[in-house]
Parts: sequence; structure tokens; C-alpha cells
Amino acid sequence: QLQLQESGPGLVKPSETLSLTCNVSGGTINSPTHYWNWIRQSPGKGLEWIGSIYYRGATNYHPSLKSRVTLSLDTSKNQFSLQLRSLTAADTGVYFCSASTTMILYYWGQGILVTVSS
Amino acid sequence: DIQMTQSPSSLSASIGDRVTITCRASQSISTYLNWYQQKPGKAPKVLISTASSLESGVPSRFSGSGSGTDFTLTINGLRPDDFATYYCQQSNRTPYTFGQGTKLEIK
Repeated sequence: QLQLQESGPGLVKPSETLSLTCNVSGGTINSPTHYWNWIRQSPGKGLEWIGSIYYRGATNYHPSLKSRVTLSLDTSKNQFSLQLRSLTAADTGVYFCSASTTMILYYWGQGILVTVSS
Repeated sequence: DIQMTQSPSSLSASIGDRVTITCRASQSISTYLNWYQQKPGKAPKVLISTASSLESGVPSRFSGSGSGTDFTLTINGLRPDDFATYYCQQSNRTPYTFGQGTKLEIK
């Protein structure tokens, strides 16, 4: 049974870069079984898929965020990460990491609230 | 992007009722449609995948149907634990998109 846990700052300033990490236990990210995803939730936009990364590093991003997002894997730590650049208030929300098969989001972290404010 | 539209946005019902939530896709997604339940402060939990497959451990009072653009989630015999927000999500093509949610409240 996979378990996921997000970590990172809860408050980030506008124009800065958000860096979040998802620690995975109960399985390895270096496996073809799952895709590793980031999803965010805000009152204004509801649930929004940000992107996914596969075990060999192949990525897929939401077109509206593609210019500002980078996903990466750290197999030595069994973690995957999100970087989101040029933050604005519209990026405020709860960020979830999730593991999926065929884009069915089976496993989720508890979520981390990120507020973009000066 | 494929737009997912749920109705209603909110719904009041009583224990024991049968409720139906609908989800419409802006283009055909075959049966690549999943339903999630979310409770306050928690992550969503998948209930039904590929339109009608009940996930392991999910009570049989939940059921899903549909294909193409129109889908439904039905809950037969509402229990107190069912009052939550429900989301549909299409997994046909990227970007994977969600409906805006249906909040199910106790009447």
C-alpha cells in the first residue's frame, strides 16, 4: 500500500518559486507500475491536474502551466518534486501529490496548503 | 481541454434516499471517467473507475454508468458517511480534468 506525504513551505512570495516534495513509502518510484502526479485545489478553480512524471523521467504537464512547471524524480530518496515558478495569488491552494495507474488517482498525500502572499 | 460539467452543484438529501449525480464531458471520452469522494480536509478517494467499475472496499450502494459524454453516479440508501463532495474526472486525454464538484448535504 503506497503512502505519500507532501512537504514544503506554506507561504511563498509573489514572483518566487514554489518547491514541493512528495515522499513515497510502501513502494518504489523507480517502477513502471505508477505515474506520479501533482494536483492542486483552490476555491476558484476546483481540482486541477498540474502534471505527471513516469519512472524514466518522462513528463506531461497541463498546457496552462507548462511554461512555469518542472517535475522531477529523486530515486535515491524515493521522492518526486514540483517546482512552480513566477507565482501569483492565483497559485494559492492545497497541493496534493498522487500516484496513478492509467490516470486513475488511487493514492494521495494529505495535501499541503500553499499561500502566495507578500 | 475536455470540460467536465457536473450537476447539480449541491444536493440536499435524507438518510436512506437514492441520489444521482450527473457528469457531462465536452467531447466523447468513451468510458474513461472516474468518480471521487472528498471529505473536508481530506484528499479525494476514488470510488468508481472507467465509468462503472466499483473500486475495492467501496460499498455496493455506489454505482456508476454511462459512456461517451454522459455519466451518472448513483448512491442507493444514503448513509451518514456519504455526505461529502463528489467529483468526476476524465482520464481519456491530457490535461486530465475534473468536474466542479457536487456537495451532498443532509436535509
